[in-house]
Amino acid sequence: QKEVEQNSGPLSVPEGAIASLNCTYSDRVSQSFFWYRQYSGKSPELIMSIYSNGDKEDGRFTAQLNKASQYVSLLIRDSQPSDSATYLCAVFGGGADGLTFGKGTHLIIQP
Amino acid sequence: GAVVSQHPSRVICKSGTSVKIECRSLDFQATTMFWYRQFPKQSLMLMATSNEGSKATYEQGVEKDKFLINHASLTLSTLTVTSAHPEDSSFYICSARVGIDQPQHFGDGTRLSIL
Repeated sequence: QKEVEQNSGPLSVPEGAIASLNCTYSDRVSQSFFWYRQYSGKSPELIMSIYSNGDKEDGRFTAQLNKASQYVSLLIRDSQPSDSATYLCAVFGGGADGLTFGKGTHLIIQP
Repeated sequence: GAVVSQHPSRVICKSGTSVKIECRSLDFQATTMFWYRQFPKQSLMLMATSNEGSKATYEQGVEKDKFLINHASLTLSTLTVTSAHPEDSSFYICSARVGIDQPQHFGDGTRLSIL
């Protein structure tokens, strides 16, 4: 059974600070890792993809992957109230399967 | 790129009605599409994986005869909720991917309300 674990939160961060979201996964052979943002009542939208160990930066977002520790994280710099949403970690293990999603972390950016 | 269109966005209908939801990949071909359901304040739940030209693969506990999936072309998958009842009221979301290890791109979702 492939599992993706996230702290459900809520995670409360003051505006302008760095928000750090964490995710662990159980399938050691997982190949691809994704972060999605989901606003209440909306469908998920892709924020970041990461495929190899290390950091990947895109604007205010940085994804970090450590395959040895089976850990992936998302950092949001200069957090804005508009970043308040649920963040879903998703992992692809290979084959015909789709993504395995975590239950999401609810992030609240306090003005 | 990688745009997925889902239609309709909202359906309100009487109990016993069958409802069809369409999912289209607009700028890419998708051999595989996915159908999810999400209840309020709950996580995404995968219902089925839709493969072009073959039968869908349903997750455990999802009734095949109730949720009919057709993936007739590389750009279109449909989900039909047959004889819908109030307990079928939910947010249904489709997704598609460009390649096997690529991210899934989601449609805007369909909010289904059965009276």
